[in-house]
Amino acid sequence: AQSVTQLDSQVPVFEEAPVELRCNYSSSVSVYLFWYVQYPNQGLQLLLKYLSGSTLVKGINGFEAEFNKSQTSFHLRKPSVHISDTAEYFCAVSLSSGGSYIPTFGRGTSLIVHP
Amino acid sequence: KAGVTQTPRYLIKTRGQQVTLSCSPISGHRSVSWYQQTPGQGLQFLFEYFSETQRNKGNFPGRFSGRQFSNSRSEMNVSTLELGDSALYLCASSFRLAGAQETQYFGPGTRLLVL
Repeated sequence: AQSVTQLDSQVPVFEEAPVELRCNYSSSVSVYLFWYVQYPNQGLQLLLKYLSGSTLVKGINGFEAEFNKSQTSFHLRKPSVHISDTAEYFCAVSLSSGGSYIPTFGRGTSLIVHP
Repeated sequence: KAGVTQTPRYLIKTRGQQVTLSCSPISGHRSVSWYQQTPGQGLQFLFEYFSETQRNKGNFPGRFSGRQFSNSRSEMNVSTLELGDSALYLCASSFRLAGAQETQYFGPGTRLLVL
């Protein structure tokens, strides 16, 4: 079975500063990796995903993530955050074979952007 | 194009009762997935319906069930409610069977409180 660990439950940062949200996964087989964002009182929105190919993945809203197979990590980064980026961020993993899509989510990281 | 809608948005029930939640997917989408989000367990996959058939199921007891209608609308039912069923229930739809290649679009959720 696969698992996901988001190393920080909360990340405070000042506006226009860079940010990195950390995600590590555990799986004995190949996986796909995802980052989602959840704004208050809303559902999840896909930010980006890694399926194959380039290990640097660019997503929406200026976010990007890098897949590191040797370190089993998929950290999310943004060079300059805005107040509007304040939200909960979830890393997720799903198996890359077997047909069924049953994602496993991390516990989430609350990004708090201060003015 | 209208997004995924979930009704009701908020619900209060007492232990032992049953509840039915509704999800209307984006027009043309045939897959509907349900997720439970709690502070204790985080985000967990419940099940997925595609073309009126349950395709995948997460690790939840039989008290949790669902169905999908010919217009792709889906309902989720929880019988004999327990305090631990208090959660935000999210619905997500996609055009094809959910998979890593297929983006899921989430509704705002139904917040269920069991007293």
